[in-house]
Amino acid sequence: AQRVTQPEKLLSVFKGAPVELKCNYSYSGSPELFWYVQYSRQRLQLLLRHISRESIKGFTADLNKGETSFHLKKPFAQEEDSAMYYCAPLGQGGANNLFFGTGTRLTVIP
Amino acid sequence: GAGVSQTPSNKVTEKGKYVELRCDPISGHTALYWYRQSLGQGPEFLIYFQGTGAADDSGLPNDRFFAVRPEGSVSTLKIQRTERGDSAMYLCASSPLRTNTEAFFGQGTRLTVV
Repeated sequence: AQRVTQPEKLLSVFKGAPVELKCNYSYSGSPELFWYVQYSRQRLQLLLRHISRESIKGFTADLNKGETSFHLKKPFAQEEDSAMYYCAPLGQGGANNLFFGTGTRLTVIP
Repeated sequence: GAGVSQTPSNKVTEKGKYVELRCDPISGHTALYWYRQSLGQGPEFLIYFQGTGAADDSGLPNDRFFAVRPEGSVSTLKIQRTERGDSAMYLCASSPLRTNTEAFFGQGTRLTVV
């Protein structure tokens, strides 16, 4: 069964500093991975998905199959990046359900 | 346009009572998902519908939990004989049926069992 680990529950960085939120997964077959974000008092929403290899709000995430990681990175953190971030692989067997990690709360210090 | 709507936003009930939580998905979205989120945890998958049928209900914790989507749109999550451990935020999401698409979440229903 798929499993995802986000080792840091809390992460604080200064504005302008690089930020990396870690995500490790176990998955049989080809993984489909997403990052979802929840800003204060807002709904959970998609940040980016690995298959589209896009950069959203300056964030990128590279799938490293050798290390089974999908870390989220941004070179210069902004105060508005403060939020809860969840790594989520897609269900296996063609299912569309997501399996979320425990999340990392990022705080960007002004 | 309207997003995913969940009602009520808050529900307080007594232990042993029956509750229903409603989800109105985005119009035209074939897939609908229910998740439960306890404090300090990520959303936990409960059940996933394709149209009217439950494609995967493996996340339902026990037979006190049941969900329906009779017309392929609105869904209701039903919890019988509620227990204090059922207290959590219940999230609903919908998406087009195609795989690898974005899931759009509702604002959630916070259930408190006293």
